[in-house]
Amino acid sequence: EIVLTQSPATLSLSPGERATLSCRASQSVSSYLAWYQQKPGQAPRLVIFDASNRATGIPVRFSGSGSGTDFTLTISSLEPEDFAVYYCQHRSNWPLTFGGGTKVEIK
Amino acid sequence: EVQLVESGGGLVQPGGSLRLSCVVSGFTFSSYGMSWVRQAPGKGLEWVSRVSTSGGSTNYADSVEGRFTISRDNSKNTLYLQMNSLRAEDTALYYCAKQLAAAATFDFWGQGTLVTVSS
Repeated sequence: EIVLTQSPATLSLSPGERATLSCRASQSVSSYLAWYQQKPGQAPRLVIFDASNRATGIPVRFSGSGSGTDFTLTISSLEPEDFAVYYCQHRSNWPLTFGGGTKVEIK
Repeated sequence: EVQLVESGGGLVQPGGSLRLSCVVSGFTFSSYGMSWVRQAPGKGLEWVSRVSTSGGSTNYADSVEGRFTISRDNSKNTLYLQMNSLRAEDTALYYCAKQLAAAATFDFWGQGTLVTVSS
């Protein structure tokens, strides 16, 4: 099973600041990595798929990069609606796994 | 509009069984793989199981292998999860999720159904 480790666990930032979230895989997942956003009481929402592709309706301030074992989700300038928990997920093989999440909170 | 609506959750005793359903609309159900993903209270996401478009291929997390069975009825646009030998650690909100094309990435999710395993 591939283990995904997300860091930091919590990111305290102000609106307008840049957010950089990390996801590290225990072995290579090629580019088969997705990012999801989850707000309290809501289902997850796909943000990025295959490392760097924005999902439908996702603003351009969200970008993803990386391949192999190291991946980054960047939010260039935080909007109030971006404060949430973000999870990474690989699809390299079975079983699929998710990272433990990074909470982006308002400073 | 794509919709996924789960049902069947509830309170069950340890060792008991439950069957979850997920009725979908707004897309051609038979063309997409589907999964169940769960989230224990206050915890992160855990993938549970996946079924192929035809239902002929399935995969499971180690934590549920041999206890849970995923299936689908394409004529009814419905996904199922049969859960047997339930344990306290199976307590979670269970989401059904639609795959993005052929990839095991999830572009649409239901709102979840809560399963509580407790005596």
